[in-house]
Amino acid sequence: GAVVSQHPSRVICKSGTSVKIECRSLDFQATTMFWYRQFPKKSLMLMATSNEGSKATYEQGVEKDKFLINHASLTLSTLTVTSAHPEDSSFYICSARDGGRRNEQFFGPGTRLTVL
Amino acid sequence: AQSVTQLDSHVSVSEGTPVLLRCNYSSSYSPSLFWYVQHPNKGLQLLLKYTSAATLVKGINGFEAEFKKSETSFHLTKPSAHMSDAAEYFCVVSDPTGTYKYIFGTGTRLKVLA
Repeated sequence: GAVVSQHPSRVICKSGTSVKIECRSLDFQATTMFWYRQFPKKSLMLMATSNEGSKATYEQGVEKDKFLINHASLTLSTLTVTSAHPEDSSFYICSARDGGRRNEQFFGPGTRLTVL
Repeated sequence: AQSVTQLDSHVSVSEGTPVLLRCNYSSSYSPSLFWYVQHPNKGLQLLLKYTSAATLVKGINGFEAEFKKSETSFHLTKPSAHMSDAAEYFCVVSDPTGTYKYIFGTGTRLKVLA
């Protein structure tokens, strides 16, 4: 149990376009979902925390208008990178927290975004 | 505030020898601690977790970690390294105050020499 999927696994887009990444909890209800960004050979940086039905809470330095997060249901959260630029190229990872298992997050496989 | 420090950015061991990856944490609360492994271009896999039960935690693939409150440490060990263990390892502390955020260490890259 506790499987999280992400789609797409890899995306290449042109500069100026928007890209949507989906994160789904497949076999549990995720009260909270988290979005991380990982630069090459670096650790994960938390971008934002989203709770179902409410606005996401962004970490300091993360542009909320640039990285739009929607958590419309207990099994789906989306991250939209708006007007993408090459510096937005990165590995984006989501995780989901099962309210019944308190402190543990379950991670998706990640999405590799390349902006040309 | 909580934080986690991974003392070594790179560790190299020979195949068949022990592995030690060091992690120290700082927490105002009784922490939950985790070790994750990430292979190149892959997502994170949970190796083991400590959540205030037994201080010696056994994980997958022969890994284990010991929670030492007096030393504020949660070092990851394995008796005998395998080539497939070569990867990036992250120590994580969880914020128990309601946000349940994870604070990641900077990572340790483990290299296993034949």
